[in-house]
Amino acid sequence: SAVISQKPSRDICQRGTSLTIQCQVDSQVTMMFWYRQQPGQSLTLIATANQGSEATYESGFVIDKFPISRPNLTFSTLTVSNMSPEDSSIYLCSVADSGSYNEQFFGPGTRLTVL
Amino acid sequence: QQQVKQSPQSLIVQKGGISIINCAYENTAFDYFPWYQQFPGKGPALLIAIRPDVSEKKEGRFTISFNKSAKQFSLHIMDSQPGDSATYFCAASISSGTYKYIFGTGTRLKVLA
Repeated sequence: SAVISQKPSRDICQRGTSLTIQCQVDSQVTMMFWYRQQPGQSLTLIATANQGSEATYESGFVIDKFPISRPNLTFSTLTVSNMSPEDSSIYLCSVADSGSYNEQFFGPGTRLTVL
Repeated sequence: QQQVKQSPQSLIVQKGGISIINCAYENTAFDYFPWYQQFPGKGPALLIAIRPDVSEKKEGRFTISFNKSAKQFSLHIMDSQPGDSATYFCAASISSGTYKYIFGTGTRLKVLA
């Protein structure tokens, strides 16, 4: 399976600022996904990011708040904009490739705390 | 209809015992059902997955049982070990389009030594 890294691993940010989270994969993958996991909770899909097309956002998530880039098949970024304490969560990227689009492999996550 | 219901929320099992976690779904279009294991501070790791054309799949100490008519599936961990203490998530997806997952709410398993 692909090796996935995320930067930063954790951060503490002030209200009203923005943070960009990077997701790097060691091989080319077709699909990348961004999830939010609030403390002690399940995973909620924010958006699907495929190279060469606009990200597809889930209900409750908007591009202005969570802009996503996918410049190539090994890299994606998620920005959390104009942050509030409610954005404090773990943000995870996952990938799936043509070998089996069903199988998603997750990065280690970025733990974000907003003060 | 998109929900996946998972139970129990937490589970305590003695070492060597069997841990059983259950999930139920409504959408009959789901055709892929994975289980993930997550340790604190880590991302979820794919454990085992099943498709509706089989009723059971086993990998080592982990077994998925699938009941298509009841729209339920479960994870059995045989000979549970303290190292299995983690949070387990079931999920469901459709093998087309975005292939996105709908996750269950999670089960926190603690295996006592």
